[in-house]
Amino acid sequence: KNEVEQSPQNLTAQEGEFITINCSYSVGISALHWLQQHPGGGIVSLFMLSSGKKKHGRLIATINIQEKHSSLHITASHPRDSAVYICAVLSQGNLIFGKGTKLSVKP
Amino acid sequence: GAVVSQHPSWVICKSGTSVKIECRSLDFQATTMFWYRQFPKQSLMLMATSNEGSKATYEQGVEKDKFLINHASLTLSTLTVTSAHPEDSSFYICSARAPGGETQYFGPGTRLLVL
Repeated sequence: KNEVEQSPQNLTAQEGEFITINCSYSVGISALHWLQQHPGGGIVSLFMLSSGKKKHGRLIATINIQEKHSSLHITASHPRDSAVYICAVLSQGNLIFGKGTKLSVKP
Repeated sequence: GAVVSQHPSWVICKSGTSVKIECRSLDFQATTMFWYRQFPKQSLMLMATSNEGSKATYEQGVEKDKFLINHASLTLSTLTVTSAHPEDSSFYICSARAPGGETQYFGPGTRLLVL
């Protein structure tokens, strides 16, 4: 079993829909990252959080340390949000990556 | 926010040649840099952790003589793929962490194709 599990693996949505991507982990962590990887390959760090909730524009990230679970929400999704979203946990100084969720937002 | 650059962004080379990839932190000093490799539709795989002024720590299964890492300054780390072979074709991503922080900033990646 992977230490970081994401769901769903693939997600197709219509423009404007509310999107949720989930991440569960089984190790002790000091922080959790949500990353975005566009088709070109470059990775952008969206959030780093260790508790509670963070919001940036249409993106919201939450984490429940007790349940070892985090969610990434996208409100009013747009085709430009199409990308792979990766959850990564920082455990004992190393990042452990989930396999990513491929999101396609159709106009 | 902090920026990490990589050069080149893509490279095509003949089998047997060596390829050097540079990773720079542009507006902060990175005591620790990480090199990852990503195969198509796969997750990032950590190859090695590089600390400025000391030898890199390689992950199990990564040949240190094949993937030479040099972290000569607080803003520059290089990965040299020596005697590259087609199976080394991949997407290589570096990441940098500022001192005392847990945030990692990722470079745009270098796509290597070995013919």
